Amino acid sequence: DAKTTQPTSMDCAEGRAANLPCNHSTISGNEYVYWYRQIHSQGPQYIIHGLKNNETNEMASLIITEDRKSSTLILPHATLRDTAVYYCIVRGPDSSYKLIFGSGTRLLVRP
Amino acid sequence: SAVISQKPSRDICQRGTSLTIQCQVDSQVTMMFWYRQQPGQSLTLIATANQGSEATYESGFVIDKFPISRPNLTFSTLTVSNMSPEDSSIYLCSVGRGSNQPQHFGDGTRLSIL
Repeated sequence: DAKTTQPTSMDCAEGRAANLPCNHSTISGNEYVYWYRQIHSQGPQYIIHGLKNNETNEMASLIITEDRKSSTLILPHATLRDTAVYYCIVRGPDSSYKLIFGSGTRLLVRP
Repeated sequence: SAVISQKPSRDICQRGTSLTIQCQVDSQVTMMFWYRQQPGQSLTLIATANQGSEATYESGFVIDKFPISRPNLTFSTLTVSNMSPEDSSIYLCSVGRGSNQPQHFGDGTRLSIL
């Protein structure tokens, strides 16, 4: 599986957009980029995933660069409840669809 | 997404004992996985639970310590055997339907060993 690199921590003001970057420079052509988050004392929550096109759902937007070597998760209007650890994971069929978690980014949303 | 129930949600156990954790899904799923999350750490994959055959373990995890069963497409168990304080962790089950569909997680079992 391609490894990912994320900043250890970030913060943003409530109501503002949170932009969480992820580097996956060794990603292969059939690997998807997945984003999960883990709020304290809960299991990881799926947010969004994509292959090469930008994706948007009710929770977030995923922007993948044209060369697919990096991506950004965007929470358009962060709330205090978005404070969590965010994981960027690359996964594909060659890995038997396993999710290998890195250290993630700890996002703190400030009032 | 599937509804995943883990039992027990938490437990406190004596060292040297074993505990079996159950993971029940409300619909059939292709894939089931077990993870461990040690205090303050990220998740580590223990094994893939294969229906009708032996689980596939990741490096550093062995069947004698973490036996896994998966009798059907909606249920799996993980046993933590001969527990020591180092086994104090959250153990999580996740499920997926294969291809590039996302996996979903239960809320985990918080295990403390005295």
